[in-house]
Amino acid sequence: AQSVSQHNHHVILSEAASLELGCNYSYGGTVNLFWYVQYPGQHLQLLLKYFSGDPLVKGIKGFEAEFIKSKFSFNLRKPSVQWSDTAEYFCAVNRTDSWGKFQFGAGTQVVVTP
Amino acid sequence: DAGVIQSPRHEVTEMGQEVTLRCKPISGHNSLFWYRQTMMRGLELLIYFNNNVPIDDSGMPEDRFSAKMPNASFSTLKIQPSEPRDSAVYFCASSLDWSTEAFFGQGTRLTVV
Repeated sequence: AQSVSQHNHHVILSEAASLELGCNYSYGGTVNLFWYVQYPGQHLQLLLKYFSGDPLVKGIKGFEAEFIKSKFSFNLRKPSVQWSDTAEYFCAVNRTDSWGKFQFGAGTQVVVTP
Repeated sequence: DAGVIQSPRHEVTEMGQEVTLRCKPISGHNSLFWYRQTMMRGLELLIYFNNNVPIDDSGMPEDRFSAKMPNASFSTLKIQPSEPRDSAVYFCASSLDWSTEAFFGQGTRLTVV
């Protein structure tokens, strides 16, 4: 079975600070990787995804993520956060070799203070 | 496309009543997922379908929960009888196939009193 671990449950930081959220997965085969964001009271929206190719992927709103296969990691980064980035962030993994199912991490609640 | 459409957006019901949640996936998408989100357990995958066929329902909490997908454009999640611990936000999501990104609906906030 695969699992997805997000290292931090809550992160509080000030505007303009840099953000990095950790994500590790346990499955050893080929996977597709995703980061989703959920703004307060809203549904999940895709931030970025990695299927293959350049392990550094850029998403919307200035977010990027780096896939490190040897570490089974897919960490999310943003150099300078804004108050509007306050949200919950979910890492998700989907296997490519079988009837995959999206496995989500527990989520990280990010609060950006003005 | 209007995206994944769920109804109702909010549902308040009494314990013991039957509840039916509805989902219309994005046209052309072959996979459909039902998730439940609570503060305590986060986002849980309940069941997913591929080409209208249930592939994995291991996340369905108990026999009170059932899901159907009679055709490519409609799915239901039914809880009978409902209990207060079923209170949660239920999300439906669809994807082009089982390996690409999932698009989520706005969710149904269920409150069982």
